[in-house]
Amino acid sequence: QSVLTQPPSVSAAPGQRVTISCSGSNSNIGNYYVSWYQQLPGTAPKLLIYGRNDRPSGIPDRFSGSQSGTSATLGITGLQTGDEADYYCATWDNSLSAWVFGAGTKLTVL
Amino acid sequence: QVQLQESGPGLVKPSETLSLTCAVSGYSISDFYWGWIRQPPGEGLEWIGSVNHRRGATYNPSLKSRLTMSIDTSKNQFSLKLSLVTAADTAVYYCVTSYGVEGDRFDPWGPGTLVTVSS
Repeated sequence: QSVLTQPPSVSAAPGQRVTISCSGSNSNIGNYYVSWYQQLPGTAPKLLIYGRNDRPSGIPDRFSGSQSGTSATLGITGLQTGDEADYYCATWDNSLSAWVFGAGTKLTVL
Repeated sequence: QVQLQESGPGLVKPSETLSLTCAVSGYSISDFYWGWIRQPPGEGLEWIGSVNHRRGATYNPSLKSRLTMSIDTSKNQFSLKLSLVTAADTAVYYCVTSYGVEGDRFDPWGPGTLVTVSS
């Protein structure tokens, strides 16, 4: 049972917009920024979003992040087949004194 | 640009110690925090711990009793030792660049190395 709750899967058609939620508590999302990672099949996770809504160099602005209270959301617009991957949210938890991850959400682009 | 590369045995026997090294290029190991994250086959991600040259190491409480992380500044690399391993420790182990113990991201990640615990 992950501390951060994500939907197991989401799907949408190419060109559409999809959102992935990440729900936590005051000991994690309520007090710390969430970062989001994309894991393409057979590869290492890659940072997509961090901080308030910052993207590393090379990450297109089709990817965005937001958080409010104890929840965070990753948004992806203009879906492409290459976006099919597992997506993970993560943040620090001051009750556990550890970084915690969501269980991951599998995105399917129909 | 920081690049990371894990190395170490791919097979470890139960009850023995898993040892991995992460070579850092493009940046001094004395800067930043460095960490380890693992992923059992077909499962999600688990933070193992972080280490900094000046501040020492911070471990996941669930693994703390079996963990040692260290930095070798002469080789610009950091390492992980996990003792008394069981099959539950079988995973792909990733080394990462961190930005503080409670920092806001892990970036970049090494390609990962699969460690299997089996006799």
